[in-house]
Amino acid sequence: GQNIDQPTEMTATEGAIVQINCTYQTSGFNGLFWYQQHAGEAPTFLSYNVLDGLEEKGRFSSFLSRSKGYSYLLLKELQMKDSASYLCAVSLYGNNRLAFGKGNQVVVIP
Amino acid sequence: DVKVTQSSRYLVKRTGEKVFLECVQDMDHENMFWYRQDPGLGLRLIYFSYDVKMKEKGDIPEGYSVSREKKERFSLILESASTNQTSMYLCASSSSGDFGYTFGSGTRLTVV
Repeated sequence: GQNIDQPTEMTATEGAIVQINCTYQTSGFNGLFWYQQHAGEAPTFLSYNVLDGLEEKGRFSSFLSRSKGYSYLLLKELQMKDSASYLCAVSLYGNNRLAFGKGNQVVVIP
Repeated sequence: DVKVTQSSRYLVKRTGEKVFLECVQDMDHENMFWYRQDPGLGLRLIYFSYDVKMKEKGDIPEGYSVSREKKERFSLILESASTNQTSMYLCASSSSGDFGYTFGSGTRLTVV
């Protein structure tokens, strides 16, 4: 089976930096995705890592260590609109399916 | 603007009814997926399809079936709806070789 772990919830202040961790143990690995999901809406793509290292995209960065089965999403200069659930997902071999973590709810406070 | 369209945003059905959830994508994607999302459980894969008329069971297929007669359309069928199928249902599609999903806006189904 697939095991993808994320913390459940965190609260951070507007303007701060927050790091969202994800650890995984899966039967295959074709890359790791991060999605953002606002309440009542569909998930939207944030980032994709397939090689070890850091990928930076504006205020968001994502890091992957394949040997440790670990990734994190870094959100800088937090804004109120960043209040959302952040989903970690692993792409499994062979059939393009994604296995999702349960999501980390980030609450940004003034 | 490419998109995945789910036919209903909100749906209320009675126990025992047969329910059809429709999903259409306009990106010529080969792969289509149905997930349900519940608080504390995250997204769980019900069924997926990687080609017309092909289907594969996901992690929680019991009580569901699917149909893919055309490449752009993937239907989820609840043969006899039960209250434990009350959930948010998300459809997604992807292209072979590009592993990212595009999601539909979701259907919130309530079974009473």
